[in-house]
Amino acid sequence: GENVEQHPSTLSVQEGDSAVIKCTYSDSASNYFPWYKQELGKRPQLIIDIRSNVGEKKDQRIAVTLNKTAKHFSLHITETQPEDSAVYFCAATPYNTDKLIFGTGTRLQVFP
Amino acid sequence: ETGVTQTPRHLVMGMTNKKSLKCEQHLGHNAMYWYKQSAKKPLELMFVYNFKEQTENNSVPSRFSPECPNSSHLFLHLHTLQPEDSALYLCASSQGTGGNYEQYFGPGTRLTVT
Repeated sequence: GENVEQHPSTLSVQEGDSAVIKCTYSDSASNYFPWYKQELGKRPQLIIDIRSNVGEKKDQRIAVTLNKTAKHFSLHITETQPEDSAVYFCAATPYNTDKLIFGTGTRLQVFP
Repeated sequence: ETGVTQTPRHLVMGMTNKKSLKCEQHLGHNAMYWYKQSAKKPLELMFVYNFKEQTENNSVPSRFSPECPNSSHLFLHLHTLQPEDSALYLCASSQGTGGNYEQYFGPGTRLTVT
């Protein structure tokens, strides 16, 4: 079955710096890759997603890139702010399933 | 109330008890999910329902029994649980399945098994 690995598990950056979180997946037929943000004590919320027919997608300060050949995708946050501090989860959907397989999460801390 | 709601928010139960978790979505979605979130395995999918039919069971022990009477309601019946089942149980819903739809999560039920 699909396996999603996520790195790093924790990431600390200074406010204004960039943050990059990387995920790899095992099922080459996976076709949907969302990223969820979970603030402390709150529910996970979708922040950006990408489909397998696209290599990059941007939404203001966040972007996601997908390398299908290498089977990895990354979340990029530029000009980080303290409110970006949260746990970020990547996920992948194996082809022709109803599953969403999550990575183990990255705790991002942005220091002012 | 809007979005996805879950009750109770906190639950403490003994290993011999029987309890149920409830989830309700007010978004008109057709798919609902149960996830287990613990320190060891964050966001572990348990069950998927699409139009009230179970489409995924992620090798969940039989002491967890889901029920989906309609597209708006989802239950998780618990019996003879183990201490390692203590975790945050999250419900989610989406417009469709196939993983290509945004999932909206509820606030979760914090379960402690003593």
